[in-house]
Amino acid sequence: DTAVSQTPKYLVTQMGNDKSIKCEQNLGHDTMYWYKQDSKKFLKIMFSYNNKELIINETVPNRFSPKSPDKAHLNLHINSLELGDSAVYFCASSQDLSTVEQFFGPGTRLTVL
Amino acid sequence: EDQVTQSPEALRLQEGESSSLNCSYTVSGLRGLFWYRQDPGKGPEFLFTLYSAGEEKEKERLKATLTKKESFLHITAPKPEDSATYLCAVQAGSNYQLIWGAGTKLIIKP
Repeated sequence: DTAVSQTPKYLVTQMGNDKSIKCEQNLGHDTMYWYKQDSKKFLKIMFSYNNKELIINETVPNRFSPKSPDKAHLNLHINSLELGDSAVYFCASSQDLSTVEQFFGPGTRLTVL
Repeated sequence: EDQVTQSPEALRLQEGESSSLNCSYTVSGLRGLFWYRQDPGKGPEFLFTLYSAGEEKEKERLKATLTKKESFLHITAPKPEDSATYLCAVQAGSNYQLIWGAGTKLIIKP
């Protein structure tokens, strides 16, 4: 059984489009995250979502918005895509905000043309 | 500014050739240091947590150690299946968010 799943695995789109990436975890965790991994392999936290509390990394453009329909899902919606948004996006979850062991999804490779 | 630096960027070893990966950090109030393994096309997989200087953790051929300024991931007699990118991350101050290094790509040749 997949613990943290993401769809789609690959996403190719044009500049200016709006797209969403879906994430689901079946671990019963309270906290979910979105990370961006750039071409240099740095993982940068974008959002943490814990019990309906959203913690935003202040460097994330407001074109990015997380949406959580329930505790097991945290989707990422991106408006007006730009070339610089091309990266691999990872969803992750942990038992709670203070638990450091995070379980990652397989990633979504986004390419903006 | 809190920072995590990993070295080397890449390391090629022969099967059985032991070595170490380095993770140095400059943060205010270290809460913990974490090692993850990332295989190509996959998300990072948790390996170890270290909380205080002098602490050591082992798992199979891997051993992680921690000082006040850096952590080492020692790999003993590695096998080709140990090939992966090894990521280091720290948690500091009152912020629960992890600060990540860029990783070391380890290649073990048979």
